[in-house]
Amino acid sequence: KQEVTQIPAALSVPEGENLVLNCSFTDSAIYNLQWFRQDPGKGLTSLLLIQSSQREQTSGRLNASLDKSSGRSTLYIAASQPGDSATYLCVSSGSARQLTFGSGTQLTVLP
Amino acid sequence: DAGVIQSPRHEVTEMGQEVTLRCKPISGHNSLFWYRQTMMRGLELLIYFNNNVPIDDSGMPEDRFSAKMPNASFSTLKIQPSEPRDSAVYFCASSSVETQYFGPGTRLLVL
Repeated sequence: KQEVTQIPAALSVPEGENLVLNCSFTDSAIYNLQWFRQDPGKGLTSLLLIQSSQREQTSGRLNASLDKSSGRSTLYIAASQPGDSATYLCVSSGSARQLTFGSGTQLTVLP
Repeated sequence: DAGVIQSPRHEVTEMGQEVTLRCKPISGHNSLFWYRQTMMRGLELLIYFNNNVPIDDSGMPEDRFSAKMPNASFSTLKIQPSEPRDSAVYFCASSSVETQYFGPGTRLLVL
């Protein structure tokens, strides 16, 4: 059974800092891995999707990497802004499309 | 609680037919979300409701898609007419505060 762990559970940084969120998974036989942003009361917003054959994806100030052999993914946020404050979820998808969610990292960017 | 209930679990239909997916959220939850999972795009938010009212439907791909929530215990996602590119797994999720609880999904195949 797949388990997804996110570290840290909470993170507070000053504006402008670069930061890394970590995600680890126990079963490397994933179909893809996706990073989401969750704002209170809203649906999940997809940030980056990494297929199992890919090593990284980039979108603006965000970069996500995937290392299946070590069971790890990272989300790098450059030049953080207060608007980046949210909970970030790592979600793995198995071959049968089953989803496994991490517990999330609550990010606060201080102005 | 039985969790979020979705029906049917599998649906195979022909192009042009109407498809109705159903969701029963967890009792007491006031937010309901519809997501679509595809191979290429991962998990995407289609629409979500707060207290039975649609809040954000910007993820609904086309006018062929519609969603309703007539009461706090039931929601439908309808595709009319269906097309082969609609083939995906459709997830319903509900929440009361932060954590979203996902249903098992409906696997839709449009031939």
